[in-house]
Amino acid sequence: NAGVTQTPKFQVLKTGQSMTLQCAQDMNHEYMSWYRQDPGMGLRLIHYSVGAGITDQGEVPNGYNVSRSTTEDFPLRLLSAAPSQTSVYFCASRPGGRDTQYFGPGTRLTVL
Amino acid sequence: GENVEQHPSTLSVQEGDSAVIKCTYSDSASNYFPWYKQELGKRPQLIIDIRSNVGEKKDQRIAVTLNKTAKHFSLHITETQPEDSAVYFCAASTSGGGADGLTFGKGTHLIIQP
Repeated sequence: NAGVTQTPKFQVLKTGQSMTLQCAQDMNHEYMSWYRQDPGMGLRLIHYSVGAGITDQGEVPNGYNVSRSTTEDFPLRLLSAAPSQTSVYFCASRPGGRDTQYFGPGTRLTVL
Repeated sequence: GENVEQHPSTLSVQEGDSAVIKCTYSDSASNYFPWYKQELGKRPQLIIDIRSNVGEKKDQRIAVTLNKTAKHFSLHITETQPEDSAVYFCAASTSGGGADGLTFGKGTHLIIQP
């Protein structure tokens, strides 16, 4: 199993550009989440999904969209990038009936 | 929503001594409390967790205690070693009922002095 994978590892955008951060897991996990990590702020929940076709907002959802068309994939879309979205983004998944979250390696995003 | 406070933000201890990191949470419905270790440039890694029906859990040099009444939980690391140097995060979860995800504390930078 590859576990939770994220692409790209690094990305630089200009203000106003859009892009999609990819997240995939091959463990057949029901639950998937996106977090952002900023210096001194810990990790904050952006969006989560409790199964294919079901998504909901977390603590900091503004400026981001998600969809979950398959169990394996949970992409995060930045509609119009802003410098405030400069951060490290982590995707995580967990199986139903278990609490342990498995984190991906992260994507470091810089918005100029 | 849930709010998790973590203290201290930086902790420096001598190698071989013990380290204690404390967290408080606000939502009495929270039922799962993991601790993560994060090294520079790496993903968070789960080191120990506890559910709300347990008061204490131990794994070798690491232990976690939970006081549901006071809504606080703590990480204890004994016989600290240089490889314990990292940033540690506590978190709380109120999973179920269609909700999911973790609320994290802001982290503690643990420094092990040789």
